[in-house]
Amino acid sequence: DAGVTQSPTHLIKTRGQQVTLRCSPKSGHDTVSWYQQALGQGPQFIFQYYEEEERQRGNFPDRFSGHQFPNYSSELNVNALLLGDSALYLCASSSLGAGRGLFFGSGTQLSVL
Amino acid sequence: KNQVEQSPQSLIILEGKNCTLQCNYTVSPFSNLRWYKQDTGRGPVSLTIMTFSENTKSNGRYTATLDADTKQSSLHITASQLSDSASYICVVSRYGQNFVFGPGTRLSVLP
Repeated sequence: DAGVTQSPTHLIKTRGQQVTLRCSPKSGHDTVSWYQQALGQGPQFIFQYYEEEERQRGNFPDRFSGHQFPNYSSELNVNALLLGDSALYLCASSSLGAGRGLFFGSGTQLSVL
Repeated sequence: KNQVEQSPQSLIILEGKNCTLQCNYTVSPFSNLRWYKQDTGRGPVSLTIMTFSENTKSNGRYTATLDADTKQSSLHITASQLSDSASYICVVSRYGQNFVFGPGTRLSVLP
């Protein structure tokens, strides 16, 4: 039973560039949530996707967008990268039917230079 | 307002000692509470999950308690090891897949 997988594990970009991060949820899960975690801070909720639609969104600008595919995998896109976007990006999957909380991937470490 | 608070913010203990981390929440409606361990630069890993009717849940040297009346939870670590050095995050789930995160407790175990 595969857990939550994220790719890539590390990424280096320069200011103004665009980035796409990918996530495959745990088998049986249909909901994907994305979090940004700055060094020394707790995870901050970006948004959640269910049935290919954004269901909930945190306090992040429109530069952050996402997508969920029919197989429940998801992408996080960030446009016009800023230095402050440097962080660990975590994907977590869950299922309303399972109702037992979030399972996290290992994260993508994004560095913006 | 739905909030999760954790204390202490950070903790330093010697290897072999026990410690207890606290989590207080005001989340409603409550579905479940989960403790995660997060190593630096890695994704959080679940330690325990507790529903409204569960008072205690153990996972090896980790024991979580839940008092749903006072809306408090604790995570007790017994006979700490160097590998226990990590951040411990309390996450409370609301019905409808809404998750509220605590800020975490940073634990350092010294030899």
